Amino acid sequence: EVQLVESGGGLVKPGGSLRLSCAASGFTFSSYSMNWVRQAPGKGLEWVSSISSSSSYIYYADSVKGRFTISRDNAKNSLYLQMNSLRAEDTAVYYCARGTRVGETPFDYWGQGTLVTVSS
Amino acid sequence: DIQMTQSPSAMSASVGDRVTITCRASQGISNYLAWFQQKPGKVPKRLIYAASSLQSGVPSRFSGSGSGTEFTLTISSLQPEDFATYYCLQHSTYPHSFGQGTKLEIK
Repeated sequence: EVQLVESGGGLVKPGGSLRLSCAASGFTFSSYSMNWVRQAPGKGLEWVSSISSSSSYIYYADSVKGRFTISRDNAKNSLYLQMNSLRAEDTAVYYCARGTRVGETPFDYWGQGTLVTVSS
Repeated sequence: DIQMTQSPSAMSASVGDRVTITCRASQGISNYLAWFQQKPGKVPKRLIYAASSLQSGVPSRFSGSGSGTEFTLTISSLQPEDFATYYCLQHSTYPHSFGQGTKLEIK
């Protein structure tokens, strides 16, 4: 069974940092790209970042470029999102979602999400 | 960047109704489009992938169509459990982008 479990969310002050983790199981993690998606309270879904299976290709939304860093550790079956210079508008539930491998389509599995609150 | 314009943003319908939600891409995305259902406090659930393929386990009353820039999600006969918010997502190019959502409410 595919499982994605996020952790690391919490309350942080504006300008602060937080590192989110996503532990994957039930599939060959190293074969898939991975994604982060967020949802601000009462708002829609926003794609945040993607990373290819070998970390060779990385993409960010303009809203987080230069502040957030996506990474992965295939030996640990884990995905990360380092968030720096956090702003109030980064307050959201952050989801990790499985990406693609050859012949498959992305966003078929999602974690339960972790809440990040940026407030003084 | 590709913009996804979803319509309507909200609608009310009755059990048994046929409902159609539309997503329009600002440029062609072939069939790199998925539809998701999200209920309050829950994780988004993929309903449709590759524009028209039904996700395993999803009832056949859900269907998707379209290619290029125009896409539709149709629910053939609304059931009580279908009242939720629906999102389209293009994953043709980066940055990926979601539609703004359609909140489907009970009439």
